[in-house]
Amino acid sequence: GAVVSQHPSRVICKSGTSVKIECRSLDFQATTMFWYRQFPKQSLMLMATSNEGSKATYEQGVEKDKFLINHASLTLSTLTVTSAHPEDSSFYICSARVSGLQKYTGELFFGEGSRLTVL
Amino acid sequence: QKEVEQNSGPLSVPEGAIASLNCTYSDRGSQSFFWYRQYSGKSPELIMFIYSNGDKEDGRFTAQLNKASQYVSLLIRDSQPSDSATYLCAVNSINQAGTALIFGKGTTLSVSS
Repeated sequence: GAVVSQHPSRVICKSGTSVKIECRSLDFQATTMFWYRQFPKQSLMLMATSNEGSKATYEQGVEKDKFLINHASLTLSTLTVTSAHPEDSSFYICSARVSGLQKYTGELFFGEGSRLTVL
Repeated sequence: QKEVEQNSGPLSVPEGAIASLNCTYSDRGSQSFFWYRQYSGKSPELIMFIYSNGDKEDGRFTAQLNKASQYVSLLIRDSQPSDSATYLCAVNSINQAGTALIFGKGTTLSVSS
């Protein structure tokens, strides 16, 4: 399958600081990437859809000024958690849909995830 | 609110048995359905996808889809302890950004040796 790389895998930060998470598609182009958040024993909740070269579309209840998403190229999307607080501690996972290759028909490929702990 | 429902389990089966995982969804317009496996602390990995009514087999896994009943299931034959994980059902749904996968909460499967 297609490979999506996410970095960092773990990050611990102090309350009030900002944290940037990178998501890269390594062997394919991704015009669309998705950012999910998962709390313990909960499902993956879609936060936003990131389209290359345009503004991200946020799901209801997700603060766009707090979770900044940039999709500057066909292989890179970033999520910045600004002024992080302990309640933002979660498992953040990016995913991408392969563009332009016929053998892939809509499935998402996930990065390894980033576990954020805000002290 | 588009929803995907799964029994959270845990579902416990002995090694070698068939594990049956079920999922229902609310969006009648959904056209594609996916099963992901997630180990604790890891991100999901795709097991199978299905688009047409009926069964689709891949090795020990069989996905079943019934769009009229808005029901999709996953059968795992000859279950192995390594199959112990949380299985997430995901449904492709149209939102304001285009299409996105909506996930169920997952069913935890435990296979005992």
